[in-house]
Amino acid sequence: DAGVTQSPTHLIKTRGQQVTLRCSPKSGHDTVSWYQQALGQGPQFIFQYYEEEERQRGNFPDRFSGHQFPNYSSELNVNALLLGDSALYLCASSRDHEGSPLHFGNGTRLTVT
Amino acid sequence: LAKTTQPISMDSYEGQEVNITCSHNNIATNDYITWYQQFPSQGPRFIIQGYKTKVTNEVASLFIPADRKSSTLSLPRVSLSDTAVYYCLVGDRNYGQNFVFGPGTRLSVLP
Repeated sequence: DAGVTQSPTHLIKTRGQQVTLRCSPKSGHDTVSWYQQALGQGPQFIFQYYEEEERQRGNFPDRFSGHQFPNYSSELNVNALLLGDSALYLCASSRDHEGSPLHFGNGTRLTVT
Repeated sequence: LAKTTQPISMDSYEGQEVNITCSHNNIATNDYITWYQQFPSQGPRFIIQGYKTKVTNEVASLFIPADRKSSTLSLPRVSLSDTAVYYCLVGDRNYGQNFVFGPGTRLSVLP
């Protein structure tokens, strides 16, 4: 049973460019959340998708957008990259059921130069 | 928003039991308490979750007093491979904006 998979594992972009990160949730999960983790800090919530809609959003600018597909997989898009966007981007999936914990992928390491 | 407080770091030796306590004074009635473990360059890994009293699984135990204002993660007989950052979270993961990671507890297990 595959867990949460993310691609690519590493990515280097230039300031001002756009990037798309991808996530496949754990089998049986229908909810996908995205987190940004800067070096030495805890993950920060970006947004959550359920039934192909953005259900919750954290304190991130509109440059961060996402999408969820009918098969529950998800994409995170970041436009107009800034140096400060360099981080580990984590995808987490869960079932829309009380008490169902988050299962995380190993993330995409984004470096903006 | 349920805020958690846990020690920034802890040291232990191989074979010892480690207890990490988390304070969450304003936990809401519907909030669960969840602990995650994270190794460098990996995503957090779910350890254990509870609502009240005691929960035990194959890797850890979680003790929650009646008032639920704190919780203690207990790791029996730690090994070097348990060196990691441990996060305590309270909330409903279906309301991600309220499911807030703090800085965690950096556990170092020494030989």
